[in-house]
Amino acid sequence: ETGVTQTPRHLVMGMTNKKSLKCEQHLGHNAMYWYKQSAKKPLELMFVYSLEERVENNSVPSRFSPECPNSSHLFLHLHTLQPEDSALYLCASSQDTASGTDTQYFGPGTRLTVL
Amino acid sequence: DQQVKQNSPSLSVQEGRISILNCDYTNSMFDYFLWYKKYPAEGPTFLISISSIKDKNEDGRFTVFLNKSAKHLSLHIVPSQPGDSAVYFCAASLVNTGKLIFGQGTTLQVKP
Repeated sequence: ETGVTQTPRHLVMGMTNKKSLKCEQHLGHNAMYWYKQSAKKPLELMFVYSLEERVENNSVPSRFSPECPNSSHLFLHLHTLQPEDSALYLCASSQDTASGTDTQYFGPGTRLTVL
Repeated sequence: DQQVKQNSPSLSVQEGRISILNCDYTNSMFDYFLWYKKYPAEGPTFLISISSIKDKNEDGRFTVFLNKSAKHLSLHIVPSQPGDSAVYFCAASLVNTGKLIFGQGTTLQVKP
């Protein structure tokens, strides 16, 4: 149990659908992250939130829209995705972002398939 | 351009022997390095880290070595156990950014 949960664990959607991924952390952390892991590729950082404020947007297309309503919850809203967006989407949290030595704790991920 | 590289996609080792996983990086400004382990259907879990002011950090069966001049780090697991079979990711960061750059991972298989 890492203290970071993600739902759903698996999602299949069409290119015209709108869906949302949810992440919740029970660790009292101030920073939350979205990563994307495509097959045979490294984890790619998508977004970083610190104290509910977005501090990093790693050139992610606008069809991915993050939301952080409070420090425990992070959402990734998806709309008009492409098949190449199929990947494992991982959420992580850490105590803060200011210190690069804070360990990031990951959730189990959502396996997304776009048809 | 990939700043952190794990050039071996897989490694197979006999139980009880040493596993050595390697990682190279290109950005000399990186000052903190981590190893994560990932089992299927789970998220990565933190294993061990090292600051750039050190060249070795040990935690039980796991030791990380850092060679700054070669921009190379390695993870040694000894003795290897079947439960160590997983994907291992190295990551690098710039302190005060909180931003991790990951390698593509090495799948370790430890055979009984």
